[in-house]
Amino acid sequence: SQQGEEDPQALSIQEGENATMNCSYKTSINNLQWYRQNSGRGLVHLILIRSNEREKHSGRLRVTLDTSKKSSSLLITASRAADTASYFCATGGGGGGYQKVTFGIGTKLQVIP
Amino acid sequence: DADVTQTPRNRITKTGKRIMLECSQTKGHDRMYWYRQDPGLGLRLIYYSFDVKDINKGEISDGYSVSRQAQAKFSLSLESAIPNQTALYFCATSDSASAKNIQYFGAGTRLSVL
Repeated sequence: SQQGEEDPQALSIQEGENATMNCSYKTSINNLQWYRQNSGRGLVHLILIRSNEREKHSGRLRVTLDTSKKSSSLLITASRAADTASYFCATGGGGGGYQKVTFGIGTKLQVIP
Repeated sequence: DADVTQTPRNRITKTGKRIMLECSQTKGHDRMYWYRQDPGLGLRLIYYSFDVKDINKGEISDGYSVSRQAQAKFSLSLESAIPNQTALYFCATSDSASAKNIQYFGAGTRLSVL
């Protein structure tokens, strides 16, 4: 079963607007990652936030993590047409040993020029 | 050149045929993975390998087998393809020296089983 669940499943915005995607998960994690996938292509890692961090920034990306609610959000500011893609959260499991990465089903973002 | 290369990029085959999808990497990573992606189901892990002698089943390994021929090569086989194995397949790598387990993906193989 999938660990992460993204919300919404699809999002359409105008260029220049901000896009917010949410991810909920079920079990304890060591970190949470966000990936982008352009249509039919491989996933590309965007940003990682550790379980002891609450917020992280990278360029126009801002990620928050609330471990008490088992949720994360990805904010893309001043969106561009090139941001059109699917976005996936991926959780790295808690506990020792191999940290399995489990992907959600993704949010499909369309940015309209 | 891509760091993680998958061949072929597209494949159409018939039910019952044996096929192999190949993956090679130049990233020097020790860990390699095979995922399949289906609409509405996200990515699901088929097999993963920590090194040449360490291969593990993922959540949906039935009907698949793998071979880690070298640290840089990891192939996925469908012994007798069936239509519900039609999907987009991804190979990925990660570096065990990094505790982050960030995955680096190939461009994918689109497989259709008729």
